[in-house]
Formats: sequence, C-alpha cells, structure tokens
Amino acid sequence: AAGVIQSPRHLIKEKRETATLKCYPIPRHDTVYWYQQGPGQDPQFLISFYEKMQSDKGSIPDRFSAQQFSDYHSELNMSSLELGDSALYFCASSPRLAGAQDTQYFGPGTRLTVL
Amino acid sequence: AQSVAQPEDQVNVAEGNPLTVKCTYSVSGNPYLFWYVQYPNRGLQFLLKYITGDNLVKGSYGFEAEFNKSQTSFHLKKPSALVSDSALYFCAVRADNYGQNFVFGPGTRLSVLP
Repeated sequence: AAGVIQSPRHLIKEKRETATLKCYPIPRHDTVYWYQQGPGQDPQFLISFYEKMQSDKGSIPDRFSAQQFSDYHSELNMSSLELGDSALYFCASSPRLAGAQDTQYFGPGTRLTVL
Repeated sequence: AQSVAQPEDQVNVAEGNPLTVKCTYSVSGNPYLFWYVQYPNRGLQFLLKYITGDNLVKGSYGFEAEFNKSQTSFHLKKPSALVSDSALYFCAVRADNYGQNFVFGPGTRLSVLP
C-alpha cells in the first residue's frame, strides 16, 4: 500500500539558510500534518492543512511557513535556520478533517541538520 | 489541556515474556488514544487505537491495549515479546473537542533481550 512520502530524507544546511521540506500524502488523503521531533524528544505538532487551507496551528515558529497545494502535497518552508532547528520533521496524513478518531499515517521523516 | 504520561523511559523484558508499556492521559473531552512505534531512523508506525466500545483493543504485530477510564490509562501489552519488538513506543491522545493534532507522550524505549 502507498505510504506518505517525504523528501528529502536528509538535509544539511548552514545557519541562516533556508530549507524546504516536501510531503506527499497517501492517495485520497486530504489532510496533512507536520511534526517536529528533536533529539530524544516526542513529536511536537507544528501545523496542519485540510483541503489546502490551514486547519490547526501548533508550536510553529514565525520563521516557518507551510502550504498545501492542489494535488494535496504540502511544503514546509524554513527560513533563517538556527542550530535548534536540527530535528526530524515528520509529515502525516489522514483521510479527512475533524475526525479525531482518524488515524494519522506518518512518513519516514526528513532529518534536518543545521551546522 | 491534554497531556500524556509514559512513566517509564525504558522497559527491559526477556524474549518470550509478556510485556507492558504504560500510558496515562489527561483530556477534558472524550479521549481517542493511539499507540505508535518508532524504529531507529524511521517514521512512526500505527499500532492500534481506542475510539469507543470494547476496552480491549487488538492491533498490529500481536499488540493489544486496554483502556481504563477510571484510571485514565491505556497500557500497551503483548503476551510474548520478540527481539524485533525492540523500539521506541509513543502513546498519543486526541480529544473530540480539542483539534486534529496528536499530543504525544515522551516515549518508552522497549528492549527485548534474547
């Protein structure tokens, strides 16, 4: 079965650079979530989108922005990168919004290292 | 506010023995509880969830979990552990009046010793 695809899998950037992470949800899933998992930490919710509109916002820094496109893929744009942004970034998708019962299916993550 | 506690950072169990990974939660609405497993350098894999109904939920790879409303717990169990079960386990909660994102527990590292 198709899973959530994230690219790139690994990314190395310098401080103050920008980075763009991409997420391709499972086919027919219209809701996308972004999470950040720091070293030894649990995943922290950043932001979510449903039908190309932001549906919920968590602890996403102002330096970060995200959007969902007409094909339902999503991109997380990160600017003025800081050392503390080094983390594993997960994307998850689910078939519909407002279903707290719905399972979120996670991608393999993008490991961002900021030097 | 919603929160999840996993009181054990690390659980060690011998292969073939039963295992339990503990989770307690706090939510203001009806809870929806999930277990995910994370292998090294991998994403989170869904194991099982409790929505409503039978308090004992069966999931993937022989895992099950028991929802206990009075104790606000959702412990993960498996009758006979395998070495391949060694991984990081996350309990997560959502409430029907909260939002769509998960609140995760801190994770419990399970080591199954041969």
